[in-house]
Amino acid sequence: VQLVQSGVEVKKPGASVKVSCKASGYTFSNHYMHWVRQAPGQGPEWMGTINPRGGITRHAQKFQGRLTMTRDTSTTTVYMELISLRSEDTAVYFCARDRSGSGLDAFDIWGQGTMVTVSS
Amino acid sequence: EIVMTQSPATLSVSPGERVTLSCRAGQSLSSSYLAWYQQKPGQAPRLLIYDASTRATGLPARFSGSGSGTEFTLTISSLQSEDFAVYYCQQYNNWPRTFGQGTKVEVK
Repeated sequence: VQLVQSGVEVKKPGASVKVSCKASGYTFSNHYMHWVRQAPGQGPEWMGTINPRGGITRHAQKFQGRLTMTRDTSTTTVYMELISLRSEDTAVYFCARDRSGSGLDAFDIWGQGTMVTVSS
Repeated sequence: EIVMTQSPATLSVSPGERVTLSCRAGQSLSSSYLAWYQQKPGQAPRLLIYDASTRATGLPARFSGSGSGTEFTLTISSLQSEDFAVYYCQQYNNWPRTFGQGTKVEVK
C-alpha cells in the first residue's frame, strides 16, 4: 500500500498549483483521501477530503473558493489544486488515506509529501 | 473548530525513560476519535494510535494511548533511540479535522 506524490513546485504569488497523489496496493474507491499541509516548523493542517467513490469533497472553511480536489479512478490518482497562491501557502502538502471506508477515521497511509514554495 | 493543545512543547529525556505526552481537546470528543502520529525530520507523519487507545498495525507495545472526553495521553514505556521525534495528536470527531502543535521528544 503506498501513495506517491508529484514533485517539488515553485510558484509565484497569484499562481495556482496542482499536486497529484497516486494510490496503489489497495482498492482505491474504498478509502477517502485527505489533503494535509504543513508549513515550515508548524503542525499539520487539514485541508480537505475527497470520496474517491463518488468524488464528493469536503474542505476546511479557510480554503473556501481556492481549493479543488478531484480524482481519476482509471489511474487511481487524486489531485489537489490550490489557486491564488500567497507566500503563506508555502508548505509541504501531503495526501493521506482515511483508515476506514467511512471518511470518519484516522489517517493510516501518507504520501511522501510535495514541497510547494510560493515566492516572487 | 476544535482546538487541540499539546504539552509540553519539548521533552528532554534519556533512552530507557518512561515518557508521557498530553493532549487536550477544546471540547469533548464524544466518540474518542483521537489519533497520535509520530513525525521525524523530512518524513510524513506515521499513525501510532487511533480511537484514543488502539495501536496501529505493527506498533511496538511500548506505545500506549489512553484518555477520553477532553484529556488524552500517549505513553512510551521505555524510550528507544528511534523514538526521538515530534508527536502530534489529531481529532477526527468533528469537521474540520484538527491537529495539535506537537511535542518534540529530544535527547537529554
